[in-house]
Amino acid sequence: GAGVSQSPSNKVTEKGKDVELRCDPISGHTALYWYRQSLGQGLEFLIYFQGNSAPDKSGLPSDRFSAERTGGSVSTLTIQRTQQEDSAVYLCASSLGGDRRNQPQHFGDGTRLSIL
Amino acid sequence: KQEVTQIPAALSVPEGENLVLNCSFTDSAIYNLQWFRQDPGKGLTSLLLIQSSQREQTSGRLNASLDKSSGRSTLYIAASQPGDSATYLCACVSGGYNKLIFGAGTRLAVHP
Repeated sequence: GAGVSQSPSNKVTEKGKDVELRCDPISGHTALYWYRQSLGQGLEFLIYFQGNSAPDKSGLPSDRFSAERTGGSVSTLTIQRTQQEDSAVYLCASSLGGDRRNQPQHFGDGTRLSIL
Repeated sequence: KQEVTQIPAALSVPEGENLVLNCSFTDSAIYNLQWFRQDPGKGLTSLLLIQSSQREQTSGRLNASLDKSSGRSTLYIAASQPGDSATYLCACVSGGYNKLIFGAGTRLAVHP
């Protein structure tokens, strides 16, 4: 597709359930990022993938959060045993590889997650 | 640890005004700084990226400057229009892996 695609756009679930969020990056982008945007915390980095490897997972808030990427393309962010504080917008971004630190990141529209 | 601050938090101006949004960062060792626009319920749209070796970037009515030594960037919007109403975020890359560190944003409202 032309841009970064995320699904679902909205997700409402009960506390304690597991959720999976999906990101389809721009074709040819080898770098993929997950961020979280919540009230009072702003936009925070969660995890970075280069290809299928995740050399930086420093932003994952707890071991309930995990992510994987397959085929150097689609990524899934999984939250286990959701808590109310997990309610936020989860944003995915992708960028070209190469000189990674000077490549602009392109963002999807995000998944709005609400935990009841 | 890099921290990014944006001032003001909110701004309301009449159409046609020129305006300046401010961004400051605590660690001057950055690789680049990006300005983004976010519309309600949407993701981020990249406006301008300034590499650490550059002083400014321009795109249409937008001009962004970077002063690494003082830890500051400004986004200048000329002849503002109601369609410019959005939240503007600055973010910088310092350290490895192109990880963006964001400010809290400036919420801009341009009224006719």
